[in-house]
Parts: sequence; structure tokens; C-alpha cells
Amino acid sequence: QSALTQSASVSGSPGQSITISCTGTSSDVGGYNYVSWYQQYPGKAPKLIIYDVTKRPSGVSNRFSGSKSGNTASLTISGLQAEDEGDYYCCSYAGSRTVFGGGTKLTVL
Amino acid sequence: QVQLQESGPGLVKPSETLSLTCTVSGGSLGTYYWSWIRQPPGKGLEWIGCILYSGSGDYNPSLKSRVTMSVDTSKNQFSLKLTSVTAADTAVYYCVRGEWWFDPWGQGTLVIVPS
Repeated sequence: QSALTQSASVSGSPGQSITISCTGTSSDVGGYNYVSWYQQYPGKAPKLIIYDVTKRPSGVSNRFSGSKSGNTASLTISGLQAEDEGDYYCCSYAGSRTVFGGGTKLTVL
Repeated sequence: QVQLQESGPGLVKPSETLSLTCTVSGGSLGTYYWSWIRQPPGKGLEWIGCILYSGSGDYNPSLKSRVTMSVDTSKNQFSLKLTSVTAADTAVYYCVRGEWWFDPWGQGTLVIVPS
């Protein structure tokens, strides 16, 4: 069982916006502004898309945005595109260790 | 541009030690933390641990008794040893740069421990 809780799946149509949530505790998500998000395609290594809750690495589309409220972090993808279909994982620092969510499968209808 | 490449046996017998090495190219180990993350087939990601270029680091408490990480700055490599493996340790193992956010990632290497 993963330390952080994510919904197993989410879906949306092209052009829509979707939000993936990631729930932890005050010992991880709620205690540090060190939440990151990763996109993974089948058979490929994950790719960093958000770090430090809200920051986007160079080259990542501004359609991806992150936020946090209390013990829950969120990833929002706006203007959904077919290429966004894949698995998304949240991650948080938890004081001398790092924990991941179980992953959310995004389907673009 | 920093690139990472994992290397090591793809098959390890139960109760033996899994040993992997990550070679860093395009940059030095520098002042960064370097981590290992694994992903069992069809499952999610699990952080194994991290190590600083100086050799200090942290391990996942659930694996701590079996994990050792080390750094070889002369070869620009860092390594993972996981002892007493079982089928539950079958996974794709990734080496990555970072401590609480990870970028870049190696391509990953599948290690199978037969049951």
C-alpha cells in the first residue's frame, strides 16, 4: 500500500481540464513544500513535470500546474491532449525519506 | 545534459545480493543527491534510498536492513546493493538524480528474482 493516496483512474475529453489529487498526512504532503509529479508512458521511465508543489521544469508545458492545500496536493492538466494519456505519480518528501502515490491512470477519451 | 545508465545482472537468485551500478555522463556527481527507485511490473514507484556525493544518505525504512548505497566519484558512478532478495524484489530499477524530486532518470533495468 502506497504512502500517498491517488485515485486509480481519471478520464477527460480533449480540450477539457482534469485534476488528479494526492492525499497524504502532516508528516509528508502537509509538512513540506516538496511535492513533485511524474508522467509515465508504458515501458518508459517517469518524467518530472512538477516539483516543489508548483514549479515546472524547463520544457514542460504550462498546461500542467500543481497546488497544495493542507495534506492534499493536486495536479491540474488543462486543454487535455491525446498525448497526455498515461500514468501520473505524486511524490513527497517525508523527513529523511521520500514517498510516492500509487499512481493515477489518465485516459483521454 | 546529464544522462544516467543503469547496469547489472538481469537475473538474481533468491537469497542472493542484487548489485546495480549507475554511470553518470554529461556532468559530475557534484553536490547532488542520487537515488534509486524501483517499480514492480504493473505497479507503482517505490523510493529505495538516496546518497550524496560524499557518501552520506538515507534509505527507505522498509528496506534499510538490506540496502547499501555507495559512490565512486573517480568513475562518476553510484551503486546499489540489496541483500537477501526474494521474488518481491523483482522490478525495474531506476537510478535518478535528486533527493525529493527526481530528474533526470535512467532508462531503467529489469531485475528478475525467480520464485
